[in-house]
Amino acid sequence: GAVVSQHPSWVICKSGTSVKIECRSLDFQATTMFWYRQFPKQSLMLMATSNEGSKATYEQGVEKDKFLINHASLTLSTLTVTSAHPEDSSFYICSAWRDFSDREQYFGPGTRLTVT
Amino acid sequence: DQQVKQNSPSLSVQEGRISILNCDYTNSMFDYFLWYKKYPAEGPTFLISISSIKDKNEDGRFTVFLNKSAKHLSLHIVPSQPGDSAVYFCAASAEGAQKLVFGQGTRLTINP
Repeated sequence: GAVVSQHPSWVICKSGTSVKIECRSLDFQATTMFWYRQFPKQSLMLMATSNEGSKATYEQGVEKDKFLINHASLTLSTLTVTSAHPEDSSFYICSAWRDFSDREQYFGPGTRLTVT
Repeated sequence: DQQVKQNSPSLSVQEGRISILNCDYTNSMFDYFLWYKKYPAEGPTFLISISSIKDKNEDGRFTVFLNKSAKHLSLHIVPSQPGDSAVYFCAASAEGAQKLVFGQGTRLTINP
């Protein structure tokens, strides 16, 4: 149990276009989902926290107008990178959190975004 | 302010020996600690966790030790196997908080 999927696993897009990444919890309902970004040889950087049905909470320094997050249901959150630029190229990972009875976050496999 | 620190960016261990990965934290509100393992181009996978009411938790080859007074935890892997080669992240959370605070990671290499 506790499987999280991401789609697509990798995507290449042209500079100026937008890209949507989906994160789904397959066998449980996720009260909260998180979006992380990982640069090469670096730690996981939390970008934002999204709760179903409410606006996402962004970490300091993360542009909310650039990284649009929607958490439409208890099993789906999406991250849209708008007007992508080469510096947005990175590995994006989502995680899902059930509730306080389970303190673990369950991570998706990640999405490699390359902006050309 | 790095609340969770893994001071060793890399560690190399011979197959069959013990691997010890260390993690320090500064926030005394943290009461739950987790270790995740990550392969390149994949998401982290959960390994083992420990609550602050314990000082040791064991699961097969993996044991996590928590020293609250020193704000230090360690992950022991014994015996180490080639498949253990990965980046290991230490993470912490405070009671009532949803967020995990991650360390920088330690790249473990198991040599045959």
